[in-house]
Amino acid sequence: EVLLLESGGGLVQPGGSLRLSCTASGFTFSSYVMNWVRQAPGKGLECVSVISSSGDNTHYADSVRGRFTISRDNSRNTLYLQMNDLRAEDTATYYCAKDVSVHWHFVGLADYWGQGTLVTVSS
Amino acid sequence: DIPLTQSPATLSLSPGQRATLSCRASQSVTTFFAWYQQKPGQAPRLLIYDASNRAAGIPARFSGTGSGTDFTLTISGLEPEDFAVYYCQHRVQGPTFGQGTKVEIK
Repeated sequence: EVLLLESGGGLVQPGGSLRLSCTASGFTFSSYVMNWVRQAPGKGLECVSVISSSGDNTHYADSVRGRFTISRDNSRNTLYLQMNDLRAEDTATYYCAKDVSVHWHFVGLADYWGQGTLVTVSS
Repeated sequence: DIPLTQSPATLSLSPGQRATLSCRASQSVTTFFAWYQQKPGQAPRLLIYDASNRAAGIPARFSGTGSGTDFTLTISGLEPEDFAVYYCQHRVQGPTFGQGTKVEIK
């Protein structure tokens, strides 16, 4: 059974930093592209970042580029999202999602999702 | 970026009725296109990928059609568990979601 467990969310002040983690099990983590998708309260979905299986390739939404960094540790089956210079508009539930793809080609199709971790940016 | 526009924003229907949801891309995304379902308090669930293929475990009442810029999700006979929000998504020049269509009980 594929399981994705996010952690690291919480309350942070504007301008602050937070690191999200996603621990994966039930599949060969090192083979698959991985995604971070967020959802602001009462709003729709936004793909924040995507990383290739090796970690060599990354994609960021314009809204977070230069502030967020995606990474992975395949030896620990863990995906990360380092979030710096946080803003009120970054308040959202952040989902870790497994991609169907093993290649860096038209990525972003997510077949398994975690339950999400809530990030609240407020003073 | 290739934005997606979903219509309608809300669809009010009764159980047993047919639901037709639309999504339009501003330029062609060929068939790199998907539909997801999300229920309150839950993560999204993949329904349809590559425009017309049902994901594992998805009932046959869900079907997807389209290519290029215009796509449709049809639910042929709404079950009580189908009332939810549905998002379309493409993965050309970066994955992008539509704003969602809420299917509510009339």
